[in-house]
Amino acid sequence: GQNIDQPTEMTATEGAIVQINCTYQTSGFNGLFWYQQHAGEAPTFLSYNVLDGLEEKGRFSSFLSRSKGYSYLLLKELQMKDSASYLCAVRDSNYQLIWGAGTKLIIKP
Amino acid sequence: DAMVIQNPRYQVTQFGKPVTLSCSQTLNHNVMYWYQQKSSQAPKLLFHYYDKDFNNEADTPDNFQSRRPNTSFCFLDIRSPGLGDAAMYLCATSREGTGVATQYFGPGTRLLVL
Repeated sequence: GQNIDQPTEMTATEGAIVQINCTYQTSGFNGLFWYQQHAGEAPTFLSYNVLDGLEEKGRFSSFLSRSKGYSYLLLKELQMKDSASYLCAVRDSNYQLIWGAGTKLIIKP
Repeated sequence: DAMVIQNPRYQVTQFGKPVTLSCSQTLNHNVMYWYQQKSSQAPKLLFHYYDKDFNNEADTPDNFQSRRPNTSFCFLDIRSPGLGDAAMYLCATSREGTGVATQYFGPGTRLLVL
């Protein structure tokens, strides 16, 4: 079966750095997406990785290792508004998105 | 601004009473998706339209139907809602066939079944 694993919940301090990990086992690989979802709202696109390495976008960076089936989302200079769930999703060989259940990130002052 | 719009944002219905949720997009994307998401769970794909071609997920109950009358609009019909159908329903769009094909979501419709 296809599987995406993420921690259920993480806590971090305002101004700090946090890394959210995602491991996947899918039938094929055609890219990995990270989405942010605030409570009661829709997911919004954050980043996309299809090649190994780090993609940086302002305070957010995403890393991919295809050989290890592993990605992480790195959030720097955390702000209270970053409190949200972060969902990892992998596009498989049929170009279907396989979703993780998301990591709830709690930011404390 | 190009966007995905869902109406209504909140829908209350009675057990067994049919309900229709709507989605429209101004992104001119060729694929439209309907997801169901329950609290603290991953979005669950119900079905999608690739242009006019309807693709149903194997485990989507027959109670759920969809229509796409044109490129811009897509509807989700729940024929006889049960208590277990209370969830957030998310519409998403993407442009397949060119590059990354990121899915962009509407704001969602939260369905309550009484």
